[in-house]
Parts: sequence; C-alpha cells; structure tokens
Amino acid sequence: DAKTTQPNSMESNEEEPVHLPCNHSTISGTDYIHWYRQLPSQGPEYVIHGLTSNVNNRMASLAIAEDRKSSTLILHRATLRDAAVYYCILRDDWGYDMRFGAGTRLTVKP
Amino acid sequence: DGGITQSPKYLFRKEGQNVTLSCEQNLNHDAMYWYRQDPGQGLRLIYYSQIVNDFQKGDIAEGYSVSREKKESFPLTVTSAQKNPTAFYLCASTPGGERTEAFFGQGTRLTVV
Repeated sequence: DAKTTQPNSMESNEEEPVHLPCNHSTISGTDYIHWYRQLPSQGPEYVIHGLTSNVNNRMASLAIAEDRKSSTLILHRATLRDAAVYYCILRDDWGYDMRFGAGTRLTVKP
Repeated sequence: DGGITQSPKYLFRKEGQNVTLSCEQNLNHDAMYWYRQDPGQGLRLIYYSQIVNDFQKGDIAEGYSVSREKKESFPLTVTSAQKNPTAFYLCASTPGGERTEAFFGQGTRLTVV
C-alpha cells in the first residue's frame, strides 16, 4: 500500500504558483520525502527530495510540515510543460523499497 | 550518455506467449525496479532487485518473473499466467539509499492480442 495520499487532480493557470499537497501521516523519523513527475507517455523524472527542512532547486521547492506528516511541492510559475502527474513517495533508511501511489494529475491552463 | 534503456518501445504478442522486456542501465546503480502502469493509473511495483542474483516481489508479482545475473541488466518476463498483460511497463534504477534519486527508462508498451 502507498504510504502517501494525494489529490487525484488539480488545475492551475499558466504563470501562477501551484501548491501540490501530500499527506504522509505514518512517516517514520528516517523516511525521506521524494517527488517525481511523469509527462505523458514518458517515464517519471525526479523533482526534489527532503527530510525535515524546506528544499529548493531549479525545478521546484519542497515545504515540509514541522511534524513531517505532510509536505507541499511548490511550482513557482507554472508553465504548460509542467502539466504532468506528480508523485510523492517515501524512501526508507535503505531506500530500496520504492512504491508509488496514483499521484496528482496537474492541468495547466493557458 | 548514462541512463536506462528499455527495449523495444512497443511490443505485440499473441495471448498465451511468454514475452521478455529488456532493461539495461550504465549508471552503475545497485538497485533496479519494474513497474506496471495501466491507463490513467499510477505505478505499481512488480519486482525489484537490490543486488545481483537477488530480487524481491512487489505488489503485483504474480504472472511475472525476473532475473539479475548482471548489475546492468534486469529483464522482466511476462508469462502466460499473467491474466491481463497489456500495459505500459517501466524500469527504474537507483544507487540505493534514501537520499538518492531514481532514474526511469522511457517504458515499453506491451499489447497482447
């Protein structure tokens, strides 16, 4: 069973920020939170990951709640190319077991 | 270029035949994975391997088999016992460790008629 819960779908307007939520209430202290996205007819690609502190990279920002039971992926200015399915997963100490849920399908409107 | 190669991109087979999907990586990653994706659905884990000659069942291993004789290769065989094999199959690899990112291939779309 997936250990994360995400909304099935979200919509955004182009050039506006997007906040994609993820709940992981059973997260353990050593689990890392990873985000991937999958463009149509392609394999998923890595977006960002974090443990406790908020993280930024060229693609997105990751905001992690203080109790770590939820996190939010932030796309600062959505473009049409950001339309994809976004997956939030947990990676344990060893990081080998990688299970994905259904993800959130993001639609970006021009 | 380093990466994961899945071949072929499209595969057609007759019902009742076994078929093997190829996955090769030149990233020197320890762990490799196979996922199945049905239309409009998320990824479901079939098998994964942490090291050569070792692999673990995922959530939907029935009707599938794998081998890991070489670090860079992790072929998936879809057997005739798999009741509904038509799907998009994705292979991934990772060095292992919770801080490392996973890399995915471009997938093989299998159609059984």
